Amino acid sequence: EAGVTQFPSHSVIEKGQTVTLRCDPISGHDNLYWYRRVMGKEIKFLLHFVKESKQDESGMPNNRFLAERTGGTYSTLKVQPAELEDSGVYFCASSQRAGDLTDTQYFGPGTRLTVL
Amino acid sequence: AQSVTQLGSHVSVSEGALVLLRCNYSSSVPPYLFWYVQYPNQGLQLLLKYTSAATLVKGINGFEAEFKKSETSFHLTKPSAHMSDAAEYFCAVSVLTGFQKLVFGTGTRLLVSP
Repeated sequence: EAGVTQFPSHSVIEKGQTVTLRCDPISGHDNLYWYRRVMGKEIKFLLHFVKESKQDESGMPNNRFLAERTGGTYSTLKVQPAELEDSGVYFCASSQRAGDLTDTQYFGPGTRLTVL
Repeated sequence: AQSVTQLGSHVSVSEGALVLLRCNYSSSVPPYLFWYVQYPNQGLQLLLKYTSAATLVKGINGFEAEFKKSETSFHLTKPSAHMSDAAEYFCAVSVLTGFQKLVFGTGTRLLVSP
């Protein structure tokens, strides 16, 4: 069974440019999460999809971030325009049971975003 | 609100020595707690989780953690470190809302020397 995959693994962009990150969850997982780790700090929740619906986007930093999950399969996270403080590692995770607080979230390897 | 604190951003041990990584939680109700490990260039992998069953939880690769309510702790241990244990370890708590959301500690990097 394939795990969670993310693309690209690294992205280096200039301030003001646009970047789109992609996440492919484990097949059959209805729940998809985005997290971010800024250097030296904790991994922080960004948002949660159940199928194609945004269940919780309370962690999104501002309206420069837009996440989509069309068709309830893969998800994209777009940052437009990118700012210096957006640099960090963006993790995607997926799980099977949305309402189960003990369920295991399976994480991808992350996308390292550097904004210059 | 639930939170976790990991003491020590770096822990160094010798191969064969005891590994102890500390995690303390804050929660007004019994929490669900997780330990994840991240090896270089890989995603986070679940080591073990506490779900209010047994207080001593055994995980993969010889790791275990004990939930201690009186100390609000969930420390991760392994009797004998191996070189392959060198990685970053994250403690996390599941926020007690309708849907799962993890709150992580700042992580502890384990260094293992020969």
